[in-house]
Amino acid sequence: EVQLVESGGGLVQPGGSLRLSCAASGFTFSTYSMNWVRQAPGRGLEWVSHISSSSGSIYYADSVKGRFTISRDNAKNSLYLQMNSLRDEDTAVYYCARGSVTSYSLFDYWGQGTLVTVSS
Amino acid sequence: SVLTQPPSASGTPGQRVTISCSGSSSNIGSNPVNWYQQLPGTAPKLLIYSNNQRPSGVPDRFSGSKSGTSASLAISGLQSEDEADYYCAAWDVSLNAWVFGGGTKLTVL
Repeated sequence: EVQLVESGGGLVQPGGSLRLSCAASGFTFSTYSMNWVRQAPGRGLEWVSHISSSSGSIYYADSVKGRFTISRDNAKNSLYLQMNSLRDEDTAVYYCARGSVTSYSLFDYWGQGTLVTVSS
Repeated sequence: SVLTQPPSASGTPGQRVTISCSGSSSNIGSNPVNWYQQLPGTAPKLLIYSNNQRPSGVPDRFSGSKSGTSASLAISGLQSEDEADYYCAAWDVSLNAWVFGGGTKLTVL
């Protein structure tokens, strides 16, 4: 059974940093691209970042470019999101979502999400 | 949102409803569309991929289509458990980013 479990969320002050993790199991993690998607309270889904299976291709939403860094450790079946210079508008539930073995993500499995609250 | 969806839709049990998703040549016009269902308080779930393909386990009451720069999700035989938010998504070749629609809240009357 495919499972994605996020962790690392919490309350952080504006300008602070946080590192999210996503533990994957039930599939060959190293062959799949992965994504982070967030959802602000009461709002819609917003894609944050994509990383290919080998980490050779990485993309970011303009809203987080230069502040967030996506990475993965295939040996540990884990995906990460390092978030720096956090802003109020980064407050959201952050989901990791499985991409695909091809170049086109499906977002076919999602974690339960981890809440990040940026507030003073 | 780069992809435009109606904010709300509604129908009675047994009815057929459609939800539209309008984009441009750089996203829907160039790439397949995926649809997601998000039940209240839960994570999104893949409903349709590659415009019209259903993952295993998704009832055939759900169907997708695409024409030009627009896509649609149709739900036939509407059931109360279909009450949820629905999102379309596609890769945008100009933005080099995944773009989602703003979401459509479906109410079953």
